[in-house]
Amino acid sequence: GAVVSQHPSRVICKSGTSVKIECRSLDFQATTMFWYRQFPKKSLMLMATSNEGSKATYEQGVEKDKFLINHASLTLSTLTVTSAHPEDSSFYICSARVGPDEAFFGQGTRLTVV
Amino acid sequence: AQSVTQLDSHVSVSEGTPVLLRCNYSSSYSPSLFWYVQHPNKGLQLLLKYTSAATLVKGINGFEAEFKKSETSFHLTKPSAHMSDAAEYFCVVSDLASGYSTLTFGKGTMLLVSP
Repeated sequence: GAVVSQHPSRVICKSGTSVKIECRSLDFQATTMFWYRQFPKKSLMLMATSNEGSKATYEQGVEKDKFLINHASLTLSTLTVTSAHPEDSSFYICSARVGPDEAFFGQGTRLTVV
Repeated sequence: AQSVTQLDSHVSVSEGTPVLLRCNYSSSYSPSLFWYVQHPNKGLQLLLKYTSAATLVKGINGFEAEFKKSETSFHLTKPSAHMSDAAEYFCVVSDLASGYSTLTFGKGTMLLVSP
């Protein structure tokens, strides 16, 4: 099946710094990728939809200047958490659309801001 | 608008006994339905999906789910639980009402398996 690779799996950063998370589709081209955030013991919350070659579409309440998304190629989307704060600590998961209504998910990134 | 309700936040079973994880959905269109499993600090793995073909869907690791339109349900079952099944399970609905599929996640059910 399709493989989505997310890197890093864990990252610890200092408050005020920026962190980049990569999401790659390894054996297929993904014109659309999705970024989710998962709070402890909660479901996944869609943050934004990333379309190759165009600006990402952000969900209501998600700060686009804080969560920068770039989808420069058909196999790579990146999420940069800028000026990270402890409240940004969370589990971030990307997924890539395969077919009209199916998606494969990355392994997730545990971000801890200290 | 579409929505998903997972009726149980936690389900506890003994190893070797049947598993039932309940899911109800609402959708204004003909939905596709999925079950995903998430182990701690891991991404999501697709267990199975329903996309308007057979109503009884068989997935990986012995799981299956039955789509019941009259009950708007898509419950996940397994005849005999293994310790390795302990994880969080998400029911997900997707529809193409606007030509653009969006995934809506249930809140998840934590499956606990005891020896």
